[in-house]
Amino acid sequence: NAGVTQTPKFQVLKTGQSMTLQCAQDMNHNSMYWYRQDPGMGLRLIYYSASEGTTDKGEVPNGYNVSRLNKREFSLRLESAAPSQTSVYFCASSESGGYGYTFGSGTRLTVV
Amino acid sequence: AQTVTQSQPEMSVQEAETVTLSCTYDTSESNYYLFWYKQPPSRQMILVIRQEAYKQQNATENRFSVNFQKAAKSFSLKISDSQLGDTAMYFCAFMKPSGSARQLTFGSGTQLTVLP
Repeated sequence: NAGVTQTPKFQVLKTGQSMTLQCAQDMNHNSMYWYRQDPGMGLRLIYYSASEGTTDKGEVPNGYNVSRLNKREFSLRLESAAPSQTSVYFCASSESGGYGYTFGSGTRLTVV
Repeated sequence: AQTVTQSQPEMSVQEAETVTLSCTYDTSESNYYLFWYKQPPSRQMILVIRQEAYKQQNATENRFSVNFQKAAKSFSLKISDSQLGDTAMYFCAFMKPSGSARQLTFGSGTQLTVLP
């Protein structure tokens, strides 16, 4: 099925551990995004990539890095996880023209 | 920077009744896009409806319609004939028209519960 695939769906990390969240889309979209969702705060943009080879910071980039590996894949890395990074993470992609995003199913990350 | 405000953290409605979710936004742009997304307990984000600011006609999608008041910067969602499957978190979102990456700015969400 066409769409955005995120892995893993759940993850528990210890403080200080690192991990990479993977995201891939098969809709040939140019733009991809990483958001985090916290209770009462909606979704906040961490990083985005307007096109292959470019990445930019969003609203809450501290503690994260990203890689746009190719047009399909956009990964999010936590180098040294902190409890404040406990959240649900969503990857999304979009075509040009203001048509909204297609979202992945999310990753629930808990840092203990 | 754009801000999106949803002032109703929680709402409930009886099955088959009509409910309206409120959203206001702040922007200096004259052209933009507005969206409502639904997030059921499955966590999946589902696009409900989309509105282009330069179009005066309110968008509709089956039982879902919006009341777009550009001057007031208001974008409310009306759900008619509410169904149990409409129980979800609803997010209002704003998108600027310019730039190569169309960033969405979300409100904090409204948890809607449809009661049998």
